[in-house]
Amino acid sequence: AQSVTQLDSQVPVFEEAPVELRCNYSSSVSVYLFWYVQYPNQGLQLLLKYLSGSTLVESINGFEAEFNKSQTSFHLRKPSVHISDTAEYFCAVSTLYNTDKLIFGTGTRLQVFP
Amino acid sequence: DAGVTQSPTHLIKTRGQQVTLRCSPKSGHDTVSWYQQALGQGPQFIFQYYEEEERQRGNFPDRFSGHQFPNYSSELNVNALLLGDSALYLCASIPSGGDAEAFFGQGTRLTVV
Repeated sequence: AQSVTQLDSQVPVFEEAPVELRCNYSSSVSVYLFWYVQYPNQGLQLLLKYLSGSTLVESINGFEAEFNKSQTSFHLRKPSVHISDTAEYFCAVSTLYNTDKLIFGTGTRLQVFP
Repeated sequence: DAGVTQSPTHLIKTRGQQVTLRCSPKSGHDTVSWYQQALGQGPQFIFQYYEEEERQRGNFPDRFSGHQFPNYSSELNVNALLLGDSALYLCASIPSGGDAEAFFGQGTRLTVV
């Protein structure tokens, strides 16, 4: 079975500071990895994904995540956050044999202060 | 192109009642998954429908059932509601032969009192 651990339930940062949201996973088979963002009272939006190839993936709004197979991690980073980045961030995995079923972590609340 | 649409957006039900939630997938998407997101938790997979059949199911009781129609839209039914069923219910649609990207609707907030 697969599982996802997001150790930080809340991460407070000041605007323009760097941030890292941690995600570790457990799986006995190869996985696909995802970060989703959820703004208040909304559904989930895909931020970025790792399927194969380069271990560093980037989103259009400045976030990046690096797949580290040896550490079973997929941490999300942004060098300079904005107030508008305040949201809940979910890390998720699926397996190559069952790509349609997502296993989510419990989420990290990113709060950006002015 | 409309995204994934869910209805209603909010509803309140009493314990023991039954509820039906609806989802229309993105155009061209033939697979629909349902997730339950309790307050402060990540979404939990309920089940998935493809070609009008339940293809796989998560760890949810039989009180949770679903249906998919020929136009790929889907319903989630929950019988004998419990207080613990209060949650945000999310529908996700997936294109056939796609690269595993699921598109989520805005969800239905169910409150059981």
